[in-house]
Amino acid sequence: EVQLLESGGGLVQPGGSLRLSCAASGFIFDSYAMNWVRQSPGKGLEWVSSISGSGDTTYYTDSVKGRFTISRDNSKNTVYLQMNSLRAEDTAVYYCAKRDVPTTAIQPFILVDWGQGTLVTVSS
Amino acid sequence: ETVLTQSPATLSLSPGDRATLSCRASQSVGGNLLWYQQKPGQAPRLLIYDTSNRFTGIPARFSGSGSGTDFTLTISSLEPEDFAVYYCQQRTNWPPFTFGPGTKVEVK
Repeated sequence: EVQLLESGGGLVQPGGSLRLSCAASGFIFDSYAMNWVRQSPGKGLEWVSSISGSGDTTYYTDSVKGRFTISRDNSKNTVYLQMNSLRAEDTAVYYCAKRDVPTTAIQPFILVDWGQGTLVTVSS
Repeated sequence: ETVLTQSPATLSLSPGDRATLSCRASQSVGGNLLWYQQKPGQAPRLLIYDTSNRFTGIPARFSGSGSGTDFTLTISSLEPEDFAVYYCQQRTNWPPFTFGPGTKVEVK
């Protein structure tokens, strides 16, 4: 059974940092690109970042470029999102997600398996 | 960036009714438009990919159509478990991948 378990969320002050983790199991991790999608409280979904199966290709939405870094450790079956210079508008539930079939490339971007999400609150 | 607009924002219907949800893109996305369903406290669930392909296990009452900039998700006869928020998403013009703001289907 595919499982994606996010952790690392919490309350942080503006300007602070957090590192989110998504521990994966039930599939061959390095055969899949991985993605982070966030959802602000009561709002819609926003794609944040994607990383290829090997980790050599990454993409970010403009609002987080230069502040967030996606990475993965295929030996630990884990994808990370390092978030620096956090702002109030980064407050959201952060989900990691992936396709259902092995695809090391970012496309096709079709999200089938999702974690339960981890809440990040940026507030003083 | 391709902006997706969904209408209506809220759809008030009764079980057994037909639901028609619209998604309009600011530029053509070809056929690469997806639909997700989200219930409170849950992660989104993929319903339809690439305009009209029902994902595994999705009931036949869900169907998708459209092309270019105008797309529709139809639920032929609402079941109690279908009351939720529905999001469209495009994967053609990226980055960024973009989602619509959602349509809430609520009980009338």
